[in-house]
Amino acid sequence: NAGVTQTPKFQVLKTGQSMTLQCAQDMNHEYMSWYRQDPGMGLRLIHYSVGAGITDQGEVPNGYNVSRSTTEDFPLRLLSAAPSQTSVYFCASSYSGGGVYNEQFFGPGTRLTVL
Amino acid sequence: AQKITQTQPGMFVQEKEAVTLDCTYDTSDQSYGLFWYKQPSSGEMIFLIYQGSYDEQNATEGRYSLNFQKARKSANLVISASQLGDSAMYFCAMRDRGGSEKLVFGKGTKLTVNP
Repeated sequence: NAGVTQTPKFQVLKTGQSMTLQCAQDMNHEYMSWYRQDPGMGLRLIHYSVGAGITDQGEVPNGYNVSRSTTEDFPLRLLSAAPSQTSVYFCASSYSGGGVYNEQFFGPGTRLTVL
Repeated sequence: AQKITQTQPGMFVQEKEAVTLDCTYDTSDQSYGLFWYKQPSSGEMIFLIYQGSYDEQNATEGRYSLNFQKARKSANLVISASQLGDSAMYFCAMRDRGGSEKLVFGKGTKLTVNP
């Protein structure tokens, strides 16, 4: 199993550009989520999904869109990049069967810089 | 609302000694899961250990153990016989049903192991 994969690993954008961060998992996990990590802030939840066709907002959703058309994929779209979105982005997934008792598996992260 | 507090921004320990990293949590749910993750300088998030709210025994995984004190709402990570490779950021996190099973992180503790 590849686990959770993210592409790209690094990205530099100019203010106002749009892009999509890709996330895929091959563990048949229903639950997927996106986090951003900023220095001194820990990881903060952007959006999450409990299954294909179902998404919801996390703590910091503004400026980001998600969709979940398949169980495997959960892309994160930046509509109009801003310097405040410079961060490291992590995608994670978990099995839903055990609910709160399931660990989340993380992708390797995408380091995004917005100039 | 869910909340995780890690009060130690940085900790130092001598190689081969034990160290305790503090974590307190706040939830009104009876069912919740507590997790510790390690993030080395390479950036990936590594799952270390898990404790369920109904587990009567403290969780252990090799050199890692979780000192779970439910009444005090604390879930401290104990690393025994520290190794140089243990130098990393450590994050405490929680999932509960009231939070839609979202994983909420503390701000982390940076552990440095000295030779």
